[in-house]
Amino acid sequence: DAKTTQPNSMESNEEEPVHLPCNHSTISGTDYIHWYRQLPSQGPEYVIHGLTSNVNNRMASLAIAEDRKSSTLILHRATLRDAAVYYCILRALKSSGDKLTFGTGTRLAVRP
Amino acid sequence: DAGVIQSPRHEVTEMGQEVTLRCKPISGHNSLFWYRQTMMRGLELLIYFNNNVPIDDSGMPEDRFSAKMPNASFSTLKIQPSEPRDSAVYFCASSFREGKGYTFGSGTRLTVV
Repeated sequence: DAKTTQPNSMESNEEEPVHLPCNHSTISGTDYIHWYRQLPSQGPEYVIHGLTSNVNNRMASLAIAEDRKSSTLILHRATLRDAAVYYCILRALKSSGDKLTFGTGTRLAVRP
Repeated sequence: DAGVIQSPRHEVTEMGQEVTLRCKPISGHNSLFWYRQTMMRGLELLIYFNNNVPIDDSGMPEDRFSAKMPNASFSTLKIQPSEPRDSAVYFCASSFREGKGYTFGSGTRLTVV
């Protein structure tokens, strides 16, 4: 599986934008970029995914570099409830099935 | 939609006992995954099923672990005999294979003493 690299931790102030980076230099043409987050004492939660174009949803935006070797998850206005571990994952859909392999993620702290 | 339902939420058992964890995926999802999370190893995929058929069980730690999916609405993960190092939070997730994302359950916190 292609690997992703994320900073171990980041901090943000409440109500400010947060840019969470992810490097995936060995990404293949069929890999989707997925982001999940895990709040304390909860299971992981799907945030957003994309292939080549930037994506927006109610939770966040995903900006994908033109060469697809990196991406950035953008939380437009961080709240205290956004404090979580954020995982950037490459998902390859194969005829034999697919799976998500979680790395260590980025632990986001939000200061009031 | 009740989401992915796991039971029990917490389980404390003595070493050597059999433990069975249960999962009800979201109706209509055709893939089901079992993950284990510990502080040391993070989130590890144990096994996953597609259309009730086990596709990849390479993450199952050893023969003490087994998983079944007798139908599209139910799966079990069994540990027999359990050991203290099996203590972890076990998550079940389901998805459409060609779909957007996985939906995770709330997990089962297993403590083996």
